[in-house]
Amino acid sequence: GQQLNQSPQSMFIQEGEDVSMNCTSSSIFNTWLWYKQDPGEGPVLLIALYKAGELTSNGRLTAQFGITRKDSFLNISASIPSDVGIYFCAGFGNQFYFGTGTSLTVIP
Amino acid sequence: EPEVTQTPSHQVTQMGQEVILRCVPISNHLYFYWYRQILGQKVEFLVSFYNNEISEKSEIFDDQFSVERPDGSNFTLKIRSTKLEDSAMYFCASHYWPLEGVTDTQYFGPGTRLTVL
Repeated sequence: GQQLNQSPQSMFIQEGEDVSMNCTSSSIFNTWLWYKQDPGEGPVLLIALYKAGELTSNGRLTAQFGITRKDSFLNISASIPSDVGIYFCAGFGNQFYFGTGTSLTVIP
Repeated sequence: EPEVTQTPSHQVTQMGQEVILRCVPISNHLYFYWYRQILGQKVEFLVSFYNNEISEKSEIFDDQFSVERPDGSNFTLKIRSTKLEDSAMYFCASHYWPLEGVTDTQYFGPGTRLTVL
């Protein structure tokens, strides 16, 4: 199946710092999605992007759909302890492909 | 807030047994999905279902797997003869519109942890 390369794999940051993670693919997607997963729970959709070049915000989160349609990034500004979790990107063409996840730890 | 529910939360079964995982999607949703997540790994797409038929399936979704919407509310995933490597969290998800081009969100259930012994 298609591979989505997500980086970094893990991040340890101080509370208040900004976070940036990205996702790249060898294939074009029509939709990019970013999810957060807390331990023992299902993923929660954070942001959905539908057009190449689109920049969308959801509170402290900002995500962009790359103009090549092969990449996307997610930024979190002014991180807080409850941002801890694993963040997954997903690309949607005719089915969903998920990235390998970025584990975020926020140190108070 | 509407939610997707899944039962059971944990299923333990012997290798070779059949299991049925159940999901109740949000009532007015039209698109349904099953995903799995092996412990510590990424979420993997299994199958999507729309208009009472499978619309897409991944290479993981082989002949051992089947899905059904037996009534207006339930959406089930059946694994006919479980293998050790089927041990994973299985998530159901649903949404209303096609995700492409329309602002909507996809809701995930809490998951069923399947353990095959």
